[in-house]
Amino acid sequence: AQRVTQPEKLLSVFKGAPVELKCNYSYSGSPELFWYVQYSRQRLQLLLRHISRESIKGFTADLNKGETSFHLKKPFAQEEDSAMYYCALSGPTSGSRLTFGEGTQLTVNP
Amino acid sequence: DTAVSQTPKYLVTQMGNDKSIKCEQNLGHDTMYWYKQDSKKFLKIMFSYNNKELIINETVPNRFSPKSPDKAHLNLHINSLELGDSAVYFCASSHLAGGLSIQFFGPGTRLTVL
Repeated sequence: AQRVTQPEKLLSVFKGAPVELKCNYSYSGSPELFWYVQYSRQRLQLLLRHISRESIKGFTADLNKGETSFHLKKPFAQEEDSAMYYCALSGPTSGSRLTFGEGTQLTVNP
Repeated sequence: DTAVSQTPKYLVTQMGNDKSIKCEQNLGHDTMYWYKQDSKKFLKIMFSYNNKELIINETVPNRFSPKSPDKAHLNLHINSLELGDSAVYFCASSHLAGGLSIQFFGPGTRLTVL
């Protein structure tokens, strides 16, 4: 069974501080991992996908297959980063189904 | 605008009523989804259609019935609404890009059952 765990429901940091949102997964095979972001009362938007190894809005995420993790990091948080962040997983055995983690509400304080 | 759109944005109704939420995408995607986001912000897939065919049907009460008249539309009809149905319902659609399924979400429909 596939599963995504985000251990922190709430995360609060100060502007300019580094931030790391944790994501662990379980999946039999080679998963595709994503980070989605939901700003207040808006739709979910794709932030990152592991396969493209890109940096969006200063965020990066590295897939660690040994630790089955896909943590999201940013060296200097900004107030506009305050949002709900969801880690999600998809894979060949799950069709196009996305399994989401519980989400982490990030608050960046001034 | 190319996007996934949903109507209505807000829906307030009494217990026992029947209501529908509509979703349309003009992105040319083949696959569409319905997700439920509960009060704790937990997101769970409900249904998925590919080219008008049901491919994912999670454990959802049969009061919920999706309908896909064509691959650009996926509507959700809910019979005999209950208090626990109150949630935000998100529609999404996807295409395959480089072998990766990327999902695009609608703005959500906030359903409140009184």
